[in-house]
Amino acid sequence: DAKTTQPNSMESNEEEPVHLPCNHSTISGTDYIHWYRQLPSQGPEYVIHGLTSNVNNRMASLAIAEDRKSSTLILHRATLRDAAVYYCILSPSPHYGGSQGNLIFGKGTKLSVKP
Amino acid sequence: ETGVTQTPRHLVMGMTNKKSLKCEQHLGHNAMYWYKQSAKKPLELMFVYNFKEQTENNSVPSRFSPECPNSSHLFLHLHTLQPEDSALYLCASSQDLLAGGEQYFGPGTRLTVT
Repeated sequence: DAKTTQPNSMESNEEEPVHLPCNHSTISGTDYIHWYRQLPSQGPEYVIHGLTSNVNNRMASLAIAEDRKSSTLILHRATLRDAAVYYCILSPSPHYGGSQGNLIFGKGTKLSVKP
Repeated sequence: ETGVTQTPRHLVMGMTNKKSLKCEQHLGHNAMYWYKQSAKKPLELMFVYNFKEQTENNSVPSRFSPECPNSSHLFLHLHTLQPEDSALYLCASSQDLLAGGEQYFGPGTRLTVT
């Protein structure tokens, strides 16, 4: 399985944008990029996913490099409730016979938000 | 209730006990998952069920026995556990395996084996 590399921790100030990087240099052409986050004492929460194009939803934006070897999760205005561990995960495309269910979580990036 | 619920939220059991963890999803999903999260370790996928059929057993010891009687319920039966099995056990669901990248997690059961 293709692996991802994320910084162990990052800090942000409240109401400022946060850019969380993820490197996945061994990504295959059919792998999707998923982001989850886990708040303290809770189960992980789906944030966003994409394949090639940048994606936006109500929680965040996902910027995918043209060569797909890296991606960035963007929180446009960090709040204290965004303090969590953020996971970048690759999974194979179902359209090529892969099962997207086999998510392999790494250690993630622990985001701290300062008031 | 909505989302994914898990009971009990906390469980303490001895190594000779038999207990079961329960997961229920109210999202109309067809795929369900068990994960284990040990202290300071990444989440580990244990089992995957799709339309009640087990599709993945990630080399989990036989002292963990899953059961999926229908698409809404998932159980994890525990027997003769070891102290190193103490962890947070998380259940998740997705529409199906094709949409398995978008999983919805429950709050977890904190298990302590004494």
